[in-house]
Amino acid sequence: DQQVKQNSPSLSVQEGRISILNCDYTNSMFDYFLWYKKYPAEGPTFLISISSIKDKNEDGRFTVFLNKSAKHLSLHIVPSQPGDSAVYFCAASPNFGNEKLTFGTGTRLTIIP
Amino acid sequence: DVKVTQSSRYLVKRTGEKVFLECVQDMDHENMFWYRQDPGLGLRLIYFSYDVKMKEKGDIPEGYSVSREKKERFSLILESASTNQTSMYLCASRRTPPNYGYTFGSGTRLTVV
Repeated sequence: DQQVKQNSPSLSVQEGRISILNCDYTNSMFDYFLWYKKYPAEGPTFLISISSIKDKNEDGRFTVFLNKSAKHLSLHIVPSQPGDSAVYFCAASPNFGNEKLTFGTGTRLTIIP
Repeated sequence: DVKVTQSSRYLVKRTGEKVFLECVQDMDHENMFWYRQDPGLGLRLIYFSYDVKMKEKGDIPEGYSVSREKKERFSLILESASTNQTSMYLCASRRTPPNYGYTFGSGTRLTVV
């Protein structure tokens, strides 16, 4: 039972354009969401997060949008740069106790120069 | 800068061998996690630990065990390695919530032949 889904395994975007990565979740107990970026042969690194009390969080070129009613979040990268080429994982957690993160299956983003 | 260190980047082991993957963090984090990453399957949780000598099964614990004798060290043990355990193994740590982000190690690429 995949509680966090990234339905696009891969995405190619022209350099300078906007990249939009999508993530859906099914568990209504999730109320904290994160995006991680992973290069080959390296561990994932934290990118940006959002709490369910917000619908948008921005950090430089990265913006995460949360639509709680649709159980959907998206990561926008603008403008896209070649160094953004990586696998992106979304992750979710309930906002209580000591709950672990549940990760999606990842989307491989390729930025075309 | 905070760090999670995995002792080996690449390992090749034979079927049936007992394999130890070591992970050390220098952040005094209470929580530590072992994931494996496989194409199309994302990050799947094997085991985690909330404190010294405590351990909890994740989503795919079969064929694995763990040890946490000291707060900074969390070891993953493959009791009898099999070819289907060929994977990228990722260790992570986290402070007790409300900080929910993980810090990951660089990963160990294990090949079982």
